[in-house]
Amino acid sequence: AQKITQTQPGMFVQEKEAVTLDCTYDTSDQSYGLFWYKQPSSGEMIFLIYQGSYDEQNATEGRYSLNFQKARKSANLVISASQLGDSAMYFCAMREPSWGGSQGNLIFGKGTKLSVKP
Amino acid sequence: KAGVTQTPRYLIKTRGQQVTLSCSPISGHRSVSWYQQTPGQGLQFLFEYFSETQRNKGNFPGRFSGRQFSNSRSEMNVSTLELGDSALYLCASSSGTGRVMNTEAFFGQGTRLTVV
Repeated sequence: AQKITQTQPGMFVQEKEAVTLDCTYDTSDQSYGLFWYKQPSSGEMIFLIYQGSYDEQNATEGRYSLNFQKARKSANLVISASQLGDSAMYFCAMREPSWGGSQGNLIFGKGTKLSVKP
Repeated sequence: KAGVTQTPRYLIKTRGQQVTLSCSPISGHRSVSWYQQTPGQGLQFLFEYFSETQRNKGNFPGRFSGRQFSNSRSEMNVSTLELGDSALYLCASSSGTGRVMNTEAFFGQGTRLTVV
């Protein structure tokens, strides 16, 4: 069965520094998608970045980049130049392959709580 | 473009009651999925609707049900509430369909349900 593992329950980073949040996944499918979401204390899940399993380049979105190592089954999120507003929970997720017209549901890791220090 | 709207934001119910939560997806999106988030179990998939049909269902008891209307708005219902149903319920909307690996899933702010 597909599984997402985030081994860092909590992380601290100094403002303006870069931070890497770890994510490993387990799947036997060749086609899959990997997502990162940010969840502030308000509860909303904010989409950050997406990486497809067949994408040759690592995904980037502004200060966010995804370090995708397919052979190691890892999809680490890198946040450059951390800001105080980056303090939140971060979730890695994978979309299962879909059948019968379904989109395929997201499987989430347990999350990493990032705290940015001034 | 308006985002995913969930109502109400907060809800307090008594054990044994039933509750209905609402989700309006992004305009043009036809797929709506529901997730339950608890401190103990994390984020778990409840079900997915597309064009008024349930396409996929997670491992939850039959007390949890949902539906989708012709305008893509979706509701989920929980009957005979239990204390363990206290959670943040999140709705996600996507545009695509079929076996295309969809690259998006935008979430609403969630409904925080407390069962007392």
